[in-house]
Amino acid sequence: AQKITQTQPGMFVQEKEAVTLDCTYDTSDQSYGLFWYKQPSSGEMIFLIYQGSYDEQNATEGRYSLNFQKARKSANLVISASQLGDSAMYFCAMREPNTGNQFYFGTGTSLTVIP
Amino acid sequence: EPEVTQTPSHQVTQMGQEVILRCVPISNHLYFYWYRQILGQKVEFLVSFYNNEISEKSEIFDDQFSVERPDGSNFTLKIRSTKLEDSAMYFCASSPSSGLAIHNEQFFGPGTRLTVL
Repeated sequence: AQKITQTQPGMFVQEKEAVTLDCTYDTSDQSYGLFWYKQPSSGEMIFLIYQGSYDEQNATEGRYSLNFQKARKSANLVISASQLGDSAMYFCAMREPNTGNQFYFGTGTSLTVIP
Repeated sequence: EPEVTQTPSHQVTQMGQEVILRCVPISNHLYFYWYRQILGQKVEFLVSFYNNEISEKSEIFDDQFSVERPDGSNFTLKIRSTKLEDSAMYFCASSPSSGLAIHNEQFFGPGTRLTVL
């Protein structure tokens, strides 16, 4: 089974609007971390936001927020007030310290912001 | 701000040749990783390295691959005899420890694009 599932291969959003990128995860561990990375066309991986499994509040970082629904095993990324520079691939990832410490990545969502 | 660096940014090689991809992790980090991203696909874990030895590796990391920390700053990935399917972006990452707290996030380098002809 896939550890991380991103079901939206491509998304479009109007500039200044909000957009939600979906991510569901699969783990039997109680302790895990969820991450979102942005990958622009230049290829580098840019850390956006982190949510720990024991965090009771949804993580926020500027225009990024993570809608964490533990019972549903979802960790959706919400980008508010989209900007043209937000156009990129977005990857959801998980780490489980009890089963090695590597990242498991989803297949990514390509976001295009329309002016 | 400290960052992970990787060289070269792009490497072109002939099938069957050996390549060495180089990484300089952040100086006070203890855990090092290599990931691979085939064009248009997700990022896949290859190997993690701690205390001068491999701590985890994936099924992708077969005998053709090896990693080394030859000195106090570099971390290298060697592919002994490249195949066409090794063409990918290779990311190096480092983290200060293995915990899950935010300050233990893995910092990724900019990647090396490997093209095998």
